[in-house]
Amino acid sequence: QKEVEQNSGPLSVPEGAIASLNCTYSDRGSQSFFWYRQYSGKSPELIMSIYSNGDKEDGRFTAQLNKASQYVSLLIRDSQPSDSATYLCAVRKDSSYKLIFGSGTRLLVRP
Amino acid sequence: EPEVTQTPSHQVTQMGQEVILRCVPISNHLYFYWYRQILGQKVEFLVSFYNNEISEKSEIFDDQFSVERPDGSNFTLKIRSTKLEDSAMYFCARQAVSTEAFFGQGTRLTVV
Repeated sequence: QKEVEQNSGPLSVPEGAIASLNCTYSDRGSQSFFWYRQYSGKSPELIMSIYSNGDKEDGRFTAQLNKASQYVSLLIRDSQPSDSATYLCAVRKDSSYKLIFGSGTRLLVRP
Repeated sequence: EPEVTQTPSHQVTQMGQEVILRCVPISNHLYFYWYRQILGQKVEFLVSFYNNEISEKSEIFDDQFSVERPDGSNFTLKIRSTKLEDSAMYFCARQAVSTEAFFGQGTRLTVV
């Protein structure tokens, strides 16, 4: 079982729509959760962090965490073509500071 | 402005040669990390470095790899004898304790 799982996509949405990206993790000891955006050939760029159950909003982005279901998601409202990228889910266990990444979901926003 | 600056942006080396990848933090953080990403694959943790010593390393980080902070500022990753499978993007990241990790722009290593 992979530690962090994401659907590879591509997830295709029209401009202005809501994009919903999902991530599951296997280790219940995971305490911190992050979403990164990665454009092709570039480094991961932090979008959101979330540490407790519930929703966290930042501009057009909302991260959702459900530790009981071991599930974390990212919603992107009013999607723009510039949001087209690969979105990486990363988790960190309480016992370690390293990040464990999923393989990423490729998002395509159609103009 | 990047949190960390990595040099070089692209390094081409022959198999068996040694390479040194460099990372310069903008601010004086204590925790540094190296990650790598083989083309088309996920980002993988290599090693974390805290207070001038290795705090954690992955199975990938074998005897061919080493890290150091030679002058108290630059943070380096050395690969002693490169293999074809070492070709990847290498990312340096800085992180304060229990907060987010910010990545440098990466070094693309190509082993031929």
